[in-house]
Amino acid sequence: DTGVSQDPRHKITKRGQNVTFRCDPISEHNRLYWYRQTLGQGPEFLTYFQNEAQLEKSRLLSDRFSAERPKGSFSTLEIQRTEQGDSAMYLCASSRDREVNGYTFGSGTRLTVV
Amino acid sequence: GNSVTQMEGPVTLSEEAFLTINCTYTATGYPSLFWYVQYPGEGLQLLLKATKADDKGSNKGFEATYRKETTSFHLEKGSVQVSDSAVYFCALTVNTGGFKTIFGAGTRLFVKA
Repeated sequence: DTGVSQDPRHKITKRGQNVTFRCDPISEHNRLYWYRQTLGQGPEFLTYFQNEAQLEKSRLLSDRFSAERPKGSFSTLEIQRTEQGDSAMYLCASSRDREVNGYTFGSGTRLTVV
Repeated sequence: GNSVTQMEGPVTLSEEAFLTINCTYTATGYPSLFWYVQYPGEGLQLLLKATKADDKGSNKGFEATYRKETTSFHLEKGSVQVSDSAVYFCALTVNTGGFKTIFGAGTRLFVKA
């Protein structure tokens, strides 16, 4: 297993365009998390899935954001009508049921909205 | 609510110096506590964890003790190396129905040769 993979690593888009990011978690991990990290800050929780069910969404996740995890495997995070304030690093993490083991993070997708 | 407060950085040390990065938390419930490390251009890596009061987490020479009475989880290392230069994040996880993890703002460490 190669860990958590995120694609793309970098994305530059014009304001108003839609973007989609993909995350492939560790195969035996049933929980998947999306976080957003801006410069000089810690990761902020966006949403989480247990298998294919999206169980919690942060208030940070406006209606321009949508996340899916079909079949409980990979996940996608889509941002519609991007704004400059969406520029950030988007991190995906996965874990087993027992969260006391901590998360395994991917390397992130850096989004720049120009 | 749940929150984590870390000492502000950057922290600049010479090689072989002693490191302390302070972390305190507030939590509704009984959290598990973590330290993560982020090297430039990479995602976060779990460094160590502690799941109950007085537990000591340790890894790669780093240690942190879960202090319930002071709601603290300070990170220490006896002798830092240049390769320890990174950003360190303190974090907690509480079962609020989602086991999501709350992170501190991070503390950047620079170690000079």
